[in-house]
Amino acid sequence: DQQVKQNSPSLSVQEGRISILNCDYTNSMFDYFLWYKKYPAEGPTFLISISSIKDKNEDGRFTVFLNKSAKHLSLHIVPSQPGDSAVYFCAAPSSGTYKYIFGTGTRLKVLA
Amino acid sequence: IAGITQAPTSQILAAGRRMTLRCTQDMRHNAMYWYRQDLGLGLRLIHYSNTAGTTGKGEVPDGYSVSRANTDDFPLTLASAVPSQTSVYFCASSEGGGDSPLHFGNGTRLTVT
Repeated sequence: DQQVKQNSPSLSVQEGRISILNCDYTNSMFDYFLWYKKYPAEGPTFLISISSIKDKNEDGRFTVFLNKSAKHLSLHIVPSQPGDSAVYFCAAPSSGTYKYIFGTGTRLKVLA
Repeated sequence: IAGITQAPTSQILAAGRRMTLRCTQDMRHNAMYWYRQDLGLGLRLIHYSNTAGTTGKGEVPDGYSVSRANTDDFPLTLASAVPSQTSVYFCASSEGGGDSPLHFGNGTRLTVT
């Protein structure tokens, strides 16, 4: 059972436009969510997080939105840059444990 | 630079052989993790450790074992490798608790033939 789902394997966006990456989850006990970015041949790097007590968290060009009723979160990148081209993973720690559950990832390609 | 060091970077291994992937962190983080990344399956947790001396099973623990003798080291052992264990393996660490991000190493690419 995939508790964290990223249904779009890939996304292409023109440079300067907005990139929206989506993530759905099934476990209503999740109370903290993270986004990671991964370049080829490197480990994932932490990008931004959000606690369930918030519905939005912003850090520069990156904003994460959380809709608890829909069990959905999204990552907005504005404006998108070619250097943003990478695989993006959403993740959540399984409640009461140290187990972080990851989605399958979305490959973002920003076209110059 | 503080972080996580994984070794080797890549390895080709014959099926049936034993292999230990090494992971060392210098951030004094309590928790450590091993994930494997496979195309279309994302990152799946193999084993984790909340603190030195304790370990736990993740989503896909079969065929793997870990130990956590001290805070810094968290080796992953494949006792008898099989081709389905061909993957990229990532070690990670965190301060612990449910709201601290994971920090990842650069991975070990393992091919089992």
